[in-house]
Amino acid sequence: EDQVTQSPEALRLQEGESSSLNCSYTVSGLRGLFWYRQDPGKGPEFLFTLYSAGEEKEKERLKATLTKKESFLHITAPKPEDSATYLCAVQASSGYSTLTFGKGTMLLVSP
Amino acid sequence: EAGVVQSPRYKIIEKKQPVAFWCNPISGHNTLYWYRQNLGQGPELLIRYENEEAVDDSQLPKDRFSAERLKGVDSTLKIQPAELGDSAVYLCASSATGTVNTGELFFGEGSRLTVL
Repeated sequence: EDQVTQSPEALRLQEGESSSLNCSYTVSGLRGLFWYRQDPGKGPEFLFTLYSAGEEKEKERLKATLTKKESFLHITAPKPEDSATYLCAVQASSGYSTLTFGKGTMLLVSP
Repeated sequence: EAGVVQSPRYKIIEKKQPVAFWCNPISGHNTLYWYRQNLGQGPELLIRYENEEAVDDSQLPKDRFSAERLKGVDSTLKIQPAELGDSAVYLCASSATGTVNTGELFFGEGSRLTVL
């Protein structure tokens, strides 16, 4: 069974204080690992797809990296508007499989 | 471009009552998903459609839940009768056929169900 564990559950940062969110996964062959952002009362919004170990993707202050067992979402000099819940999901390579989501990390950036 | 549209946004019902949620996906998206998200949890897939065919409904509680996607466009998710444990946010998402393996799903804002 595919499993995704995200840590920490919640993170509070000061504006400009860089940090990283962790996503550990267990999957029988990884087709892709995905990061989403979810604002309160909204549906998740797609951020990145990573396919293989060593791959990196960047978008503004966010950078996602992937190893064989985990992914990190690095947030550089965050701003209050980066406050949201960040969800990680994996898709197994066997046939067509659904996305398995983690519980998310709730990030709060204070001014 | 219009996003995924869901209605109603909020619904409060008493247990044993029926409820239905409606979803209009992004135009041209052949794949439609219904997810359920409990408080503090990630979304969990209930059912996936490719056009009008339900290709993955293994996680749909078929004793009380039903779904349909007529003409491969709009979709309706129904619960009858509702139970207290059904309180959650029901999310609809869609994706284009060419992006099914990129994980790029477009989600609606969700329908929040409260069962009293």
